[in-house]
Amino acid sequence: DAGVTQSPTHLIKTRGQHVTLRCSPISGHKSVSWYQQVLGQGPQFIFQYYEKEERGRGNFPDRFSARQFPNYSSELNVNALLLGDSALYLCASSYQGYGYTFGSGTRLTVV
Amino acid sequence: DQQVKQNSPSLSVQEGRISILNCDYTNSMFDYFLWYKKYPAEGPTFLISISSIKDKNEDGRFTVFLNKSAKHLSLHIVPSQPGDSAVYFCAASGGSGNTPLVFGKGTRLSVIA
Repeated sequence: DAGVTQSPTHLIKTRGQHVTLRCSPISGHKSVSWYQQVLGQGPQFIFQYYEKEERGRGNFPDRFSARQFPNYSSELNVNALLLGDSALYLCASSYQGYGYTFGSGTRLTVV
Repeated sequence: DQQVKQNSPSLSVQEGRISILNCDYTNSMFDYFLWYKKYPAEGPTFLISISSIKDKNEDGRFTVFLNKSAKHLSLHIVPSQPGDSAVYFCAASGGSGNTPLVFGKGTRLSVIA
């Protein structure tokens, strides 16, 4: 069985651009969460979606948005990229909210 | 305001000995705690968890202890192996299912052969 898959694995963007990151959860998992991990820190919660509805949002600016599709896959969008948005973006899926399985992440570099 | 704290950024242990990684939390609403292991260029991998109704959970070489009154948990790895060398994150969640995880900053464990 495939785990949580994220694409792309690496991405380089210029300041001011926008980016879309994608995540496919484990089959049967209806909850998808997004986390940002900057160097030297633990992952920080950005969004959680369950059954296509936003269930939680972390302390991130409105430049960050996300959505979940009918097949439970998800996209994270970041507009007007800043240098500080450079990080590893992790997607996690869960069946009932306690056992989170993470993907390998998308490494975003903003130059 | 860090709700989950891992005060040791790094730990070095000899192969075969016990590794003890510590984690403190401040939010009394947390009722579920997890440990994740992370290698470079990979996402965090779930190791072991514990619910607040327990004070110990064991899985092979890994044991997690929870002291609710002290708001402290620890991960014991016995015996430590070189393949255990990684960054270990403590995470907590609470309130109900589908609540987000709050992570500590991680502890880098080096197991020396």
